[in-house]
Parts: sequence; C-alpha cells; structure tokens
Amino acid sequence: DTEVTQTPKHLVMGMTNKKSLKCEQHMGHRAMYWYKQKAKKPPELMFVYSYEKLSINESVPSRFSPECPNSSLLNLHLHALQPEDSALYLCASSQGSSSGVAKNIQYFGAGTRLSVL
Amino acid sequence: KQEVTQIPAALSVPEGENLVLNCSFTDSAIYNLQWFRQDPGKGLTSLLLIQSSQREQTSGRLNASLDKSSGRSTLYIAASQPGDSATYLCAVRGFQKLVFGTGTRLLVSP
Repeated sequence: DTEVTQTPKHLVMGMTNKKSLKCEQHMGHRAMYWYKQKAKKPPELMFVYSYEKLSINESVPSRFSPECPNSSLLNLHLHALQPEDSALYLCASSQGSSSGVAKNIQYFGAGTRLSVL
Repeated sequence: KQEVTQIPAALSVPEGENLVLNCSFTDSAIYNLQWFRQDPGKGLTSLLLIQSSQREQTSGRLNASLDKSSGRSTLYIAASQPGDSATYLCAVRGFQKLVFGTGTRLLVSP
C-alpha cells in the first residue's frame, strides 16, 4: 500500500473561517510534507515534518499552521486566509532513516482543492 | 538556489510515437531525481526515482536517465498511448527539499 489519503477533496471557505486539511498514511513513513500548487505551476514546498517534528518552514504565513499529532497523521490548520491562497494543497510522505530522508521516494496524495472567497 | 527547467513546455504527438522529455538543473549536488505524472486537478504519481549514483531506471515503457555532472535528465516514453496524456514533472532532491521543474504537458492523440 503506497497510499497517502487527503481529506477533504474540495474545500470552499470564507476569509474569516477556520478549517483544517487532513493527511494520513499507513506506510510507516516518518517524513511528511505539505506543498501548495497554483494552476499551471509546479508544487512549492511549505512544511516538512521529520519524526513528528517540524524541520522546514519555507517562510509560510502564520495563517497556515501545520500539526503532526502522530507519525501517520498531518494536519494543516487554516485561518483568515486570502483569496490568493486558493490552490491545490498536496501532502506527501517518505521513509525516514538514520541516513536521513533525502534519498527516499516521496509519495503524494490526491490533494485538497481549496477556494477562498 | 536550485533551478529546474523542463523542455519542451508542451508536446503533442500521435499515438505510437517514441518521445523524450528533458529536465535540466543548475546545482549538481543532488541526492536523487524523481519523475512524476500529474493528471489535471489531481495529485502526483511517482513514475521513477534515480539515485545520484545511478545512471538510469526503467519501468515498463518508461526509461529515465541521469547525468548529474551535466545537470540533465531525460524521460523516454516508448510507444506512446492516449492514456499517457498528462503533465510530467521532474524534481531534484537536495539536502533540504525537493525542487520541481516547470513541467511538460503531453498530449497523445489517437
């Protein structure tokens, strides 16, 4: 099983709403990632969790708040978003190892299509 | 800063043709290079991963090569089919993160 499951598939929210995106994997992976992808552009890294600790934050605005409650689950909490935050949000995971996560395949979920009105 | 470019940006071919997609990167200090496929509005499907010590990888009709010293990779698709129509992305893995290329939109017509 190489599945990364993201919910919901689609989300529409107003600028004053609070919502969360969820990502789950049961492959025993210890690294998990959030990416943002605008239309016709490549994905851009937002956050990396390695062994449930935040290891990379690509200077993402604080209205995006990641959380990794356990090794299988990754959340992205959204608050006071702007219309320009509308995008496809992709979650990925990869194996962790003593030699680091860098060498391993990243498996992606189907994404959450977010629209901010 | 790593920059990844893919050429061509778009490609349209008739069914059955063999084709080559190109990926170039500016910093050769990479751990690996991964090729992905993305259907419109969907997530990414990993096709092939080449470690920095490898020269090529094959999976079915797909063959990917890597020349790290020159900063280039190619994805060869044999006997293309309409189902191959998608955007193909290459991504290079440095110490910190995966950097994606600009993508090639492929259309294979029956």
